Amino acid sequence: QQQVKQSPQSLIVQKGGISIINCAYENTAFDYFPWYQQFPGKGPALLIAIRPDVSEKKEGRFTISFNKSAKQFSLHIMDSQPGDSATYFCAGGRQLTFGSGTQLTVLP
Amino acid sequence: DGGITQSPKYLFRKEGQNVTLSCEQNLNHDAMYWYRQDPGQGLRLIYYSQIVNDFQKGDIAEGYSVSREKKESFPLTVTSAQKNPTAFYLCASSIGLVTAYNSPLHFGNGTRLTVT
Repeated sequence: QQQVKQSPQSLIVQKGGISIINCAYENTAFDYFPWYQQFPGKGPALLIAIRPDVSEKKEGRFTISFNKSAKQFSLHIMDSQPGDSATYFCAGGRQLTFGSGTQLTVLP
Repeated sequence: DGGITQSPKYLFRKEGQNVTLSCEQNLNHDAMYWYRQDPGQGLRLIYYSQIVNDFQKGDIAEGYSVSREKKESFPLTVTSAQKNPTAFYLCASSIGLVTAYNSPLHFGNGTRLTVT
């Protein structure tokens, strides 16, 4: 089974700080890498996604950095806000193999 | 508003009983999926369907069954053969194959099943 390994499992950041979540994948055939955001009691929602032909994608305060040679990609949340407190999942590949999730808490 | 409706939000059953979780979408999406979410384990794919009357097993299909008689509906039955059925179940849909950059997954708000 193809895997996507996500770290850290939990993350606590002060308001205004930078949150960084990392993922590593195994299958070089993966060609689609989305991040999903999930609030308690809700289903995940697509946050941002990247294709492996670009090294970075930015949407507002959220940036994906992609390192194809290292088979790693990361989510950076700039100026983190308490409203960003949620669980974040990375994913990759066909039928989307998901990482195990990172519970982010942004302290006011 | 278009979206995915899962019902009920909470479901309680006794061990040994089959239970069916409902999933309806009005997004006109061809593909539908069922995921199971357990703490610290991410989302694991149970079954998926790309067209009506066709579906495939995902990574953890044992103890589950599905049907896809209508494009809008993809119910999941948790059978008594599922050894650890207590979990949060998520239904999702997409326009087509998930690999497409312009075909993201849209999730419902889940059903929390507790079996005692």
